Amino acid sequence: QSVLTQPPSVSAAPGQKVTISCSGSSSNIENNYVSWYQQLPGTAPKLLIYDDNKRPSGIPDRFSGSKSGTSATLGITGLQTGDEADYYCATWDPSLSAGVFGGGTKLTVL
Amino acid sequence: EVQLVESGGGLVQPGGSLRLSCAASGFTFSSYAMSWVRQAPGKGLEWVSAITGSGGRTDNADSVKGRFTISRDNSKNTLYLQMNSLRAEDTAVYFCAKGTNIVGLTPRLDYWGQGTLVTVSS
Repeated sequence: QSVLTQPPSVSAAPGQKVTISCSGSSSNIENNYVSWYQQLPGTAPKLLIYDDNKRPSGIPDRFSGSKSGTSATLGITGLQTGDEADYYCATWDPSLSAGVFGGGTKLTVL
Repeated sequence: EVQLVESGGGLVQPGGSLRLSCAASGFTFSSYAMSWVRQAPGKGLEWVSAITGSGGRTDNADSVKGRFTISRDNSKNTLYLQMNSLRAEDTAVYFCAKGTNIVGLTPRLDYWGQGTLVTVSS
């Protein structure tokens, strides 16, 4: 049981938009920055979003992040088949003195 | 180019020990916190341990506290994870990952290695 809760799966058609939610608590998401990772099958995770809504260089602006209270959201517009992957949110939880990841969301582009 | 190359994984019996290494290159190793993150077969990511750039502070997940020790040798640009009292539930691919600043232990990790598989089984 992950400290951060994500939907197990989401799906949408190519060209459409999808959002992935990440629900936490006041001890983690609400007061700490959230990062998002993309993991393509058989590969290492890749940083997509950091500090709630910032994109590392090279990440297209189709990917966006937002946060409100104890929840964070990853948005992906203009879906491509290459976006099919597992997506994870992560943050620090000072009450645990530990990093925490969401359980992951599998994105299917139909 | 940043490179992180893990090694040291393999098959170990329950109760045994293993030391993982992560050789880093392409950046000033001592200027960045480093982390270990694991992924059990078919499961999600789990944060394991993190260490500041100087090595002066570490943190560990409750699931490994008292059994795993993270350390680093900045003269060798190498990160380590000493794993003792291994259990079947420690079976996973272990990734080392680079933090984005020297002191933050948060899982804001901008480069990852390809991982090394640890299998705990009799």
